[in-house]
Amino acid sequence: GESVGLHLPTLSVQEGDNSIINCAYSNSASDYFIWYKQESGKGPQFIIDIRSNMDKRQGQRVTVLLNKTVKHLSLQIAATQPGDSAVYFCAENMGDMRFGAGTRLTVKP
Amino acid sequence: NAGVTQTPKFRVLKTGQSMTLLCAQDMNHEYMYWYRQDPGMGLRLIHYSVGEGTTAKGEVPDGYNVSRLKKQNFLLGLESAAPSQTSVYFCASTQHGQGIYSNQPQHFGDGTRLSIL
Repeated sequence: GESVGLHLPTLSVQEGDNSIINCAYSNSASDYFIWYKQESGKGPQFIIDIRSNMDKRQGQRVTVLLNKTVKHLSLQIAATQPGDSAVYFCAENMGDMRFGAGTRLTVKP
Repeated sequence: NAGVTQTPKFRVLKTGQSMTLLCAQDMNHEYMYWYRQDPGMGLRLIHYSVGEGTTAKGEVPDGYNVSRLKKQNFLLGLESAAPSQTSVYFCASTQHGQGIYSNQPQHFGDGTRLSIL
């Protein structure tokens, strides 16, 4: 999975399967986390966010899980579709927003 | 509603040339940011602004200047371009809130791809 500062990992899934993208964050004092999706040639697009007083948040087909004990954030995408193919990256706000390099998700038809 | 618009989309410069990247947002956001995105790295903050007439340095400000004369516009200038400034530049905005990032998601433009030869 992804960690802020590491090279870009990849994830390949079959259409219809669930995807899980991971992110390890660095600062236990970070109080706000965001997942972004970035398609080729486009700017980052907000997917879902979560504050540190929550463990889980659900959106449409997406769920973010926050494990503060091990400083881990994950994005789950249900029934992954070809249009979900993109780079996904997390960001943590520790007074200073830090962005991960991202995970490239490829969806095979 | 256009959101965040960046111009130009692409540009090639020679070392030593200057240019200005323009960012415009129509969401009446208070906060605006300039980032650069390099291969294998996360976005890095160059400069930001928490309101009209105010600017501040981010993580990698050297070689860049900014201005926020109007609330809706945030300009990024390169006075003397260097090959190390070859990158994709993103502008973002967010509504005001607590702290410089306001604990709200940022709205991004589609970037300016800049090559310095």
